Amino acid sequence: DQQVKQNSPSLSVQEGRISILNCDYTNSMFDYFLWYKKYPAEGPTFLISISSIKDKNEDGRFTVFLNKSAKHLSLHIVPSQPGDSAVYFCAARFQGAQKLVFGQGTRLTINP
Amino acid sequence: EAQVTQNPRYLITVTGKKLTVTCSQNMNHEYMSWYRQDPGLGLRQIYYSMNVEVTDKGDVPEGYKVSRKEKRNFPLILESPSPNQTSLYFCASSFLGAKETQYFGPGTRLLVL
Repeated sequence: DQQVKQNSPSLSVQEGRISILNCDYTNSMFDYFLWYKKYPAEGPTFLISISSIKDKNEDGRFTVFLNKSAKHLSLHIVPSQPGDSAVYFCAARFQGAQKLVFGQGTRLTINP
Repeated sequence: EAQVTQNPRYLITVTGKKLTVTCSQNMNHEYMSWYRQDPGLGLRQIYYSMNVEVTDKGDVPEGYKVSRKEKRNFPLILESPSPNQTSLYFCASSFLGAKETQYFGPGTRLLVL
């Protein structure tokens, strides 16, 4: 049973526009959410995170929004750049735990 | 340079031939973990370790073993590999703490024939 879901396997966005990646979760005991970015032949690298007590966290061009009532989070990238082309994984963590539960990933392609 | 290293990066083997994938980190992290990545399934945890000599099963531990004799190393052992263990494997490490970032190795692509 997939507790963290990314329902869009791929997304294509024009350079300079906004990219919005979505993630849904089913377990209300998750209290910390993260986004990881993965380039081919490399391991995932941490991008941005948000605690369940917040609804927004911003870091430069990247903003993560959390809607707890809908059990939904999204990653906004503005403006999108060619170097943002990668696979993005959403992950969630239970309170007090180290384990990460990952979504399936979304492949983002930024077109020039 | 702070990093997690894995060896080998690519491996082709045959069913039943024991293999070990090594993982090493130089950041003095207590927590280490193994994941496998499969299409449509994301990353799933195989085993993890909270410290030396402390290991536990993740979500998909069947067919795998681990050991943690030293803080920096966390090898993944496949005693009798089968084709369904063909996958991309990642080792990760972090300090203990719910908000600590996990750092991932570059991955090991395994093909079991």
